[in-house]
Amino acid sequence: GAGVSQSPSNKVTEKGKDVELRCDPISGHTALYWYRQSLGQGLEFLIYFQGNSAPDKSGLPSDRFSAERTGGSVSTLTIQRTQQEDSAVYLCASSLGQFTDTQYFGPGTRLTVL
Amino acid sequence: AQSVTQPDIHITVSEGASLELRCNYSYGATPYLFWYVQSPGQGLQLLLKYFSGDTLVQGIKGFEAEFKRSQSSFNLRKPSVHWSDAAEYFCAVERPGGGADGLTFGKGTHLIIQP
Repeated sequence: GAGVSQSPSNKVTEKGKDVELRCDPISGHTALYWYRQSLGQGLEFLIYFQGNSAPDKSGLPSDRFSAERTGGSVSTLTIQRTQQEDSAVYLCASSLGQFTDTQYFGPGTRLTVL
Repeated sequence: AQSVTQPDIHITVSEGASLELRCNYSYGATPYLFWYVQSPGQGLQLLLKYFSGDTLVQGIKGFEAEFKRSQSSFNLRKPSVHWSDAAEYFCAVERPGGGADGLTFGKGTHLIIQP
């Protein structure tokens, strides 16, 4: 079956603009994760969704970041008023939902803020 | 908070030679342990994972890793590397039962294969 998909694959934006990044998890996976991969910070965990439950937002880097998950499936990560330090690859992963289940990663969205 | 150290930023190995990538973690108990590989332009792929039990774990693509509690290490090994193994390798930990915290990754080791 299909893996985790993310769109767009690349996004170039100007400083101050808002961006939306989309993640489609593997069908049947109830757990969804967002990570950020940057040269300076490496791979950082951002946020976790289990089904339709409200996520713990404490891992988001600033209040300009928000995420939602509709219908327990597709997720959107939104960055408002983008800054150059937001430039990174944003990775999404999904799993069946038990904590011992493997996280399957998507190919990522490369965000460049000019 | 847990942390992961991969002391080697780059490693160069000749094709056919053996490989060992080092990983040390800092955590109060035994975390769940993972190795992921990332090829250029690709997402992360799980090579192997350790939750409990046998400390020698077999993974895909001929990789194995050994958990050593006394050394807080989880080193990745392969007896004979292939040119296709050139990639970035990440060690990661997860708090048992703490899936909501996500994975904590090391900075990665870039593996270069010489012909």
